[in-house]
Amino acid sequence: ETGVTQSPTHLIKTRGQQVTLRCSSQSGHNTVSWYQQALGQGPQFIFQYYREEENGRGNFPPRFSGLQFPNYSSELNVNALELDDSALYLCASSGRGNTEAFFGQGTRLTVV
Amino acid sequence: QKEVEQDPGPLSVPEGAIVSLNCTYSNSAFQYFMWYRQYSRKGPELLMYTYSSGNKEDGRFTAQVDKSSKYISLFIRDSQPSDSATYLCAMSLGDDKIIFGKGTRLHILP
Repeated sequence: ETGVTQSPTHLIKTRGQQVTLRCSSQSGHNTVSWYQQALGQGPQFIFQYYREEENGRGNFPPRFSGLQFPNYSSELNVNALELDDSALYLCASSGRGNTEAFFGQGTRLTVV
Repeated sequence: QKEVEQDPGPLSVPEGAIVSLNCTYSNSAFQYFMWYRQYSRKGPELLMYTYSSGNKEDGRFTAQVDKSSKYISLFIRDSQPSDSATYLCAMSLGDDKIIFGKGTRLHILP
């Protein structure tokens, strides 16, 4: 177990709706990254948060947004859901300046 | 050309065999190289983490990085059925995003 926890584990939403996914980072880690993993693919970087500020973003539209809280937990928000947003969403935590990232079990989002 | 290329498999080997998994990459600036193991419907689990070129061994696992060839490998000795999973190679420039391969599905046959 990595100590990174995500909620919920599964979620079904309708196209056009909004969703919020949550992540608690591992103790001692101040950096949280979010990834999207489509079926049969490797994880794709969405964005990273360090000390409550966005610190790098992948090739995802602005309807993907996030927050990091003072306790370093984080949220991923997706607006105007599309069918292609169906995927496993992964949260990873790490220490600053350390690429050694540990992942949670993921949230499986299905958009219908 | 994709930044990281990884054969998706599936790769099937008999129990006890040595498994060799490989990735190639195009960005010579990558400095950090990782291997993750992912069981079905679970998050990736960090197996090996190396900086720059060279070898690293941890139990039955050995990771090799050849930066001159832009090629990384993971070897699993005395493979077990519990090693059956998807293995993801990954690399990074520093403390920002990690770039993953598509993953290789490995089946260890009892």
